[in-house]
Amino acid sequence: DSGVTQTPKHLITATGQRVTLRCSPRSGDLSVYWYQQSLDQGLQFLIQYYNGEERAKGNILERFSAQQFPDLHSELNLSSLELGDSALYFCASSPRQGEGGTQYFGPGTRLLVL
Amino acid sequence: GDSVTQMEGPVTLSEEAFLTINCTYTATGYPSLFWYVQYPGEGLQLLLKATKADDKGSNKGFEATYRKETTSFHLEKGSVQVSDSAVYFCALKDTGRRALTFGSGTRLQVQP
Repeated sequence: DSGVTQTPKHLITATGQRVTLRCSPRSGDLSVYWYQQSLDQGLQFLIQYYNGEERAKGNILERFSAQQFPDLHSELNLSSLELGDSALYFCASSPRQGEGGTQYFGPGTRLLVL
Repeated sequence: GDSVTQMEGPVTLSEEAFLTINCTYTATGYPSLFWYVQYPGEGLQLLLKATKADDKGSNKGFEATYRKETTSFHLEKGSVQVSDSAVYFCALKDTGRRALTFGSGTRLQVQP
């Protein structure tokens, strides 16, 4: 158990809908990262937050957004969903310093868009 | 840009066989290197890491040595078990970058 929690574990929805994925980082970690794992694209970085502020953006679509709250949990919002958004979405957290940039991953949320 | 190349899978071995999964990387800075493992239906677990050249990471019988001269971080295990069946991902975090760059993953199947 990495200490990173994600809910829900599974999500099934329809095209055009909006969903929210939730992540709680390890105790004491200020950084949260979101990654998407799909069969055709592999593991891709979406976005990072540090202590409530956006710090880095990767291949995140404009239909997707995220935020980190004062209690450090984060939410990833996916809107106008398309079939191609079906994937496993991971959240990771990292310590403030040290450990060579190690990121600890949650169990993921599996999204299926029908 | 940064990239990680892993050997194509699946790798199929018999129990107690020796395992090597090749990983090479391209980075502009001085990256830290990682191996993550994903068991069926589960998330990514950190298996081992190395933060500088010639460091050896080890865990659960798995080892990998950070070879700067060959830009490699090959994963090895002397005797695999059925329970090692999983997908293994090599990853790097380059200096000045915030995200991990992952390889495409290598599926390992160990047969009894």
